[in-house]
Amino acid sequence: EVQLVESGGGLVQPGGSLRLSCAASGFTFSSCEMNWVRQAPGKGLEWLSHISSGATIIYYADSVKGRFIISRDNAKNSLYLQMNSLRAEDTAVYYCARVRDSGRYLDAFDIWGQGTMVTVSS
Amino acid sequence: EIVLTQSPGTLSLSPGERATLSCRASQSFTSTYLAWYQQKPGQVPRLLIYGASSRATGIPDRFSGSGSGTDFTLTISRLEPEDFAVYYCQQYGSSPLTFGGGTKVEIK
Repeated sequence: EVQLVESGGGLVQPGGSLRLSCAASGFTFSSCEMNWVRQAPGKGLEWLSHISSGATIIYYADSVKGRFIISRDNAKNSLYLQMNSLRAEDTAVYYCARVRDSGRYLDAFDIWGQGTMVTVSS
Repeated sequence: EIVLTQSPGTLSLSPGERATLSCRASQSFTSTYLAWYQQKPGQVPRLLIYGASSRATGIPDRFSGSGSGTDFTLTISRLEPEDFAVYYCQQYGSSPLTFGGGTKVEIK
């Protein structure tokens, strides 16, 4: 079964750090472009970051540039999001998502994880 | 950054009716790079349409996408009870990728 499972969410104080993980299974992770997307409570979807299959191409949304770092370990079939200098407005469910196999770096997201909740509060 | 504006914010319809959802972009882009997602309460977003008009795997043919330039439409030909949800459009032609604010399709 094709699956993405996020972990690492929780409660963190403003200014703190957190590292999210996304474990992939059921497909050739090393061949897939991956992304992080978040959704604040009761709000819409916000794209955060993209990483190419070989980690050579990385993009960030302005809202997280300089604070968040996306990375991957293809040997471990895992995607990561290191989140630093966290703010209250970073409170959200964080999803990892797979880019559909089209040969392009950027494409629609065909597989999503179940999400992990991050709460930034004192 | 390409801003996507979805309308209406909420659509109140009855099962069996036709739903027409709009997504307007702040600037023209290649229509090949427009997707639609469905999200039900407490669930993960699901890809419905990519390339503006291609249905994703397993998506019923009552869902169709159209449009080009700056104006795109998702049509649900006859609403089934399971179709009442929030729908998001997304452009993935260039970074930053962006999502629209969503349209909620609710039961009238």
